[in-house]
Amino acid sequence: DTGVSQNPRHKITKRGQNVTFRCDPISEHNRLYWYRQTLGQGPEFLTYFQNEAQLEKSRLLSDRFSAERPKGSFSTLEIQRTEQGDSAMYLCASSASDTQYFGPGTRLTVL
Amino acid sequence: DAKTTQPPSMDCAEGRAANLPCNHSTISGNEYVYWYRQIHSQGPQYIIHGLKNNETNEMASLIITEDRKSSTLILPHATLRDTAVYYCIVTLGSARQLTFGSGTQLTVLP
Repeated sequence: DTGVSQNPRHKITKRGQNVTFRCDPISEHNRLYWYRQTLGQGPEFLTYFQNEAQLEKSRLLSDRFSAERPKGSFSTLEIQRTEQGDSAMYLCASSASDTQYFGPGTRLTVL
Repeated sequence: DAKTTQPPSMDCAEGRAANLPCNHSTISGNEYVYWYRQIHSQGPQYIIHGLKNNETNEMASLIITEDRKSSTLILPHATLRDTAVYYCIVTLGSARQLTFGSGTQLTVLP
């Protein structure tokens, strides 16, 4: 299967620690998106890359969040000094044109 | 992007057609209607999208009214594995963030 992959699938951390998630998009997809989903809600947009350029960021992406896509392939999302409110599913999607295809997500639990 | 309205929940008998409605009365002429679904604890799965014409693929059919103010997603023969939250999204498409609402929880009953 050559779909979007995300690692790790689950992450449990203590408040104040830093965490990093990885997303590998579908091959040849030049667009990559990060979303966050809290329990009972639909996914919310965080940020978007076209190739290696980060072109759009949501107001949800506080200073503690940083995303990179250094070579226009995989992407990482780092959260510094995690807070309990950061507990959520972090979803990655990629697209080559109009349709976004999502990965399985990384579930973060901050204790 | 235009806002969408969906019923919070629906039930459907296994083997019957599931018809999921969506209202998008403020849709503009160049906005697409997309449908995704999300099975518990998984990432959203793309189902189908359309602009003006009705569309059909191996998963579902999408019926868009002539005035484009509403649409219906049809799962022709629902199975238990179709139990999921279904999201109707209106977007300009390419390079735009998707704005998810609350969706419709479809429960397929045996």
